[in-house]
Amino acid sequence: GENVEQHPSTLSVQEGDSAVIKCTYSDSASNYFPWYKQELGKGPQLIIDIRSNVGEKKDQRIAVTLNKTAKHFSLHITETQPEDSAVYFCAASPASSSGGSYIPTFGRGTSLIVHP
Amino acid sequence: GAVVSQHPSRVICKSGTSVKIECRSLDFQATTMFWYRQFPKQSLMLMATSNEGSKATYEQGVEKDKFLINHASLTLSTLTVTSAHPEDSSFYICSAGTGGKQPQHFGDGTRLSIL
Repeated sequence: GENVEQHPSTLSVQEGDSAVIKCTYSDSASNYFPWYKQELGKGPQLIIDIRSNVGEKKDQRIAVTLNKTAKHFSLHITETQPEDSAVYFCAASPASSSGGSYIPTFGRGTSLIVHP
Repeated sequence: GAVVSQHPSRVICKSGTSVKIECRSLDFQATTMFWYRQFPKQSLMLMATSNEGSKATYEQGVEKDKFLINHASLTLSTLTVTSAHPEDSSFYICSAGTGGKQPQHFGDGTRLSIL
């Protein structure tokens, strides 16, 4: 099965700095890579995703990159703000054999702390 | 759009009781719903996948008689933790998908504490 490694486990930055979280995956069949933000006591929220036919995707201060050859993908947050503080999970998923929803394997999470 | 509502948000009960958690998709029809368990500072572990009108598919190591899942309609799935014990205390999160290779949308979770 798929195995997703995520680093670092904790990331502390000053407001305004950039934050980068890196993940690797093992299953070459994975072709969908979502990133989730989880605030304390809440469920994960999808913040951005990327599919294997794209190398990079950007949405305002958030960007994701994907290197299929090396099987790694990264989340980049620029101009970080205190409200960005949360746990971030990367995930990888192969195409559903039944054409249904993606069922991702999650990384262990990165606790991002943005200091004012 | 794509709002998933989970209820209750927190449950505290005595050992031996059964607890039911509801998961509803509010503005879309969920062909598939998923149940996860998350321990403190850990990742999400998939427990089971359920499709409307059919039996749930449980992940290895998850007791189907312990964690009863019902997906009676395209907008509602329930997880019942039967005869709950302190080791069942955890954060349970549901998610829903529309199929068609679309991402899952998560509820806000239920904090279950068994005394």
